[in-house]
Amino acid sequence: GESVGLHLPTLSVQEGDNSIINCAYSNSASDYFIWYKQESGKGPQFIIDIRSNMDKRQGQRVTVLLNKTVKHLSLQIAATQPGDSAVYFCAETPQRGGNKLTFGTGTQLKVEL
Amino acid sequence: DAGVIQSPRHEVTEMGQEVTLRCKPISGHDYLFWYRQTMMRGLELLIYFNNNVPIDDSGMPEDRFSAKMPNASFSTLKIQPSEPRDSAVYFCASSLQGPGGNEQFFGPGTRLTVL
Repeated sequence: GESVGLHLPTLSVQEGDNSIINCAYSNSASDYFIWYKQESGKGPQFIIDIRSNMDKRQGQRVTVLLNKTVKHLSLQIAATQPGDSAVYFCAETPQRGGNKLTFGTGTQLKVEL
Repeated sequence: DAGVIQSPRHEVTEMGQEVTLRCKPISGHDYLFWYRQTMMRGLELLIYFNNNVPIDDSGMPEDRFSAKMPNASFSTLKIQPSEPRDSAVYFCASSLQGPGGNEQFFGPGTRLTVL
């Protein structure tokens, strides 16, 4: 069936470096993508989203890139900080408007001092 | 707004007992979602409601699980009887339908341990 998956289960980076977290999806009908951050003991928290008619979107210290040709999504975090340590999930849905999301398996980001 | 509220935050029970998890979505949100998270299976959607009506319950594991949404501000997820394999963190999330997108706001979760 259709699925969303992540390439790397754990990513370790030095404080101040840039982080890149990757996500592959298989549903060609996916229209809307979201990145969530989950800190230990908390629920997932929205970071940034992107629609399928875009290939890049920037937020504060974060950038999401979408390559529809190879069905690949990435989250870039600039100047990674200790507070960025968390599990990051990508999620997708075939359409916008409150319908259910399919979540990837998650990547653990560890920031080393 | 206080965000999505879940109770209890932690629940420890014995196998065979009934467990009821509660959720209060963000006021005005049209959608409510119940998820289960485990190390083995990740984040799984169990069921979701739109305007208090269950839309998709295909993720509910089996008949031991049931969910209700009697009004726009309250939902329950019940497990009866509970089993050790039900041990997980259960999240409730809500979202607002509209052109803005599908951002779901998650509650803090209920950590369930079935002994």
